[in-house]
Amino acid sequence: DGGITQSPKYLFRKEGQNVTLSCEQNLNHDAMYWYRQDPGQGLRLIYYSQIVNDFQKGDIAEGYSVSREKKESFPLTVTSAQKNPTAFYLCASEGRDSSQSNQPQHFGDGTRLSIL
Amino acid sequence: AQSVTQLGSHVSVSEGALVLLRCNYSSSVPPYLFWYVQYPNQGLQLLLKYTSAATLVKGINGFEAEFKKSETSFHLTKPSAHMSDAAEYFCAVRLPFGNEKLTFGTGTRLTIIP
Repeated sequence: DGGITQSPKYLFRKEGQNVTLSCEQNLNHDAMYWYRQDPGQGLRLIYYSQIVNDFQKGDIAEGYSVSREKKESFPLTVTSAQKNPTAFYLCASEGRDSSQSNQPQHFGDGTRLSIL
Repeated sequence: AQSVTQLGSHVSVSEGALVLLRCNYSSSVPPYLFWYVQYPNQGLQLLLKYTSAATLVKGINGFEAEFKKSETSFHLTKPSAHMSDAAEYFCAVRLPFGNEKLTFGTGTRLTIIP
């Protein structure tokens, strides 16, 4: 089945440690997104990528980094500079013509990151 | 910039009763609108979308929503609630141009009372 796979499901980070969250899709989608979800705040955009080897900052990019070396993969690194990383992280992808924005985003099942 | 407001962070309805989840948007032009559902510890699943065709949109699981430009609203309804509808629901808005970002509301948690 086509879909988006996020791993791991649960992740723990020690102080001063960088951690990387994996996101893989086999939907042949060009665009991929990372969101952070906190209770009562909805989803906030961290980074997004519309094509391979290109990505843009979202609304809350500080303390995060990404890469897009392959169309299928869009890993997110939570760096030690992110002082409040505890959250639920969601990856999404979207197949879209660059002239249209009416396509829905497809989501993975998320990674829950906690501080040890 | 576009935005969306979901009135009521928590809504409770009895099983079999009408479900009404409210969403109002702010946008410089008529936008595209989406409703997503999220079950615990899962990602978001698309319920329905409005993309400037029919103003009454039918989605999965018996849900529907009506785009009302005069009220800048896109409320989600279901005639008869089922226990399996208990989840969190998100309204999202996007401008109808290329490369625009999706902006989410803060969500409404729906509880079904047996």
